[in-house]
Amino acid sequence: AQKVTQAQTEISVVEKEDVTLDCVYETRDTTYYLFWYKQPPSGELVFLIRRNSFDEQNEISGRYSWNFQKSTSSFNFTITASQVVDSAVYFCALSRPDLSIQGAQKLVFGQGTRLTINP
Amino acid sequence: DSGVTQTPKHLITATGQRVTLRCSPRSGDLSVYWYQQSLDQGLQFLIHYYNGEERAKGNILERFSAQQFPDLHSELNLSSLELGDSALYFCASSVVSSGGVYNEQFFGPGTRLTVL
Repeated sequence: AQKVTQAQTEISVVEKEDVTLDCVYETRDTTYYLFWYKQPPSGELVFLIRRNSFDEQNEISGRYSWNFQKSTSSFNFTITASQVVDSAVYFCALSRPDLSIQGAQKLVFGQGTRLTINP
Repeated sequence: DSGVTQTPKHLITATGQRVTLRCSPRSGDLSVYWYQQSLDQGLQFLIHYYNGEERAKGNILERFSAQQFPDLHSELNLSSLELGDSALYFCASSVVSSGGVYNEQFFGPGTRLTVL
């Protein structure tokens, strides 16, 4: 079975601090996909990043960076120089391929981390 | 804007009633997924449709059903509603890649269901 654990329920930091959100996953699949989604107070789920299991390169997008380590089954998310607009609930998710439709199966979500950036 | 639309945005109804939630996927996306978000259960997968066919079922109650129509829009029907069905219901869509690389799921804005 697949499982995603986000041990940090809530994090509160002051603006401009760096913050890292942890994500640990469990799967027996050799091919899988990892995701981060952001849910701002308005409620929608916004896609941030997808990482394939065979690609362990870290990624940076502006103030956001992601550290994927298969050896520790972790896919952590760091926000550098945080801003008030980063306040949201962040979800890490895991999926496996559905080869017969060249797509993927359901997303398995962690419980989410509520991030509050204080001015 | 993800390109996925859901109607209605809010729905308030009474126990025992039946409601229909509607989802239009992004243009060209053949897969539609439904998820339920509640405070106690978090984000849970309900059901997946691909090109009109049911592909997978998750923690979906027997009182709930869904379908995907030829124009690819999908409807989630919830019947004999209970207080515990109050939640945010999301649909998501994704495109099938001819290159075999999976593309991410894009979510609609959700329908907030309140059962009184």
